[in-house]
Amino acid sequence: EIVMTQSPATLSVSPGERATLSCRASQSVSSNLAWYQQKPGQAPRLLIYGVFTRATGIPARFSGSGSGTEFTLTISSLQSEDFAVYYCQQYNNWPRTFGQGTKVEIK
Amino acid sequence: QVQLVESGGGVVQPGGSLRLACAASGFTFSGYGMHWVRQAPGKGLDWVAFIRYDESDKYYAESMKGRFTISRDNSKNTLYLQMSSLRAEDTAVYYCVRDEYYGSGSAYFAYWGQGTLVTVSS
Repeated sequence: EIVMTQSPATLSVSPGERATLSCRASQSVSSNLAWYQQKPGQAPRLLIYGVFTRATGIPARFSGSGSGTEFTLTISSLQSEDFAVYYCQQYNNWPRTFGQGTKVEIK
Repeated sequence: QVQLVESGGGVVQPGGSLRLACAASGFTFSGYGMHWVRQAPGKGLDWVAFIRYDESDKYYAESMKGRFTISRDNSKNTLYLQMSSLRAEDTAVYYCVRDEYYGSGSAYFAYWGQGTLVTVSS
């Protein structure tokens, strides 16, 4: 199974600042990498798929990059509604696997 | 719009069984693969199982093989997860998820239900 490792576990950021989240795969997942956002008490929501394509309705301040085994989610200017947990996920191989999550909290 | 509504969660004793259901609407259910994903309290996301649009393929997480069975009834627009030999570590919110891919492939997780809580405890 492909192991997805996210860093850091927690990121403390002030509103308006940039946040950079990392995700590493134990082997290449090609471009089959997605990011999800989850707020307390809610289901996860698709943010980005295919490494860099934003899902419908996702603001342009969210961007994805990377290839192969190293990926990054960047939130260019954090808004209050962006404080949440973010998960990366590979859909290149079975079983599908998620990273353990990065919590973005208010500094 | 796409709606996925899970039901069937509850409290069950260790070793017991439970069947979850997911009622789908707002899209052509019979054309999409479907997943179950779970989340233990305070923990991350854990993929459980996948079924192709026509039931031609099913995939399971290793720890659920032989204990969980995913199925669907396209005439009722409903996805199921039959769980047996339940353990305390199966305690989680179980989400019904629609795949993005229309047809026989599989891609990312486009739509999520609100989840149903399963608690395994004596």
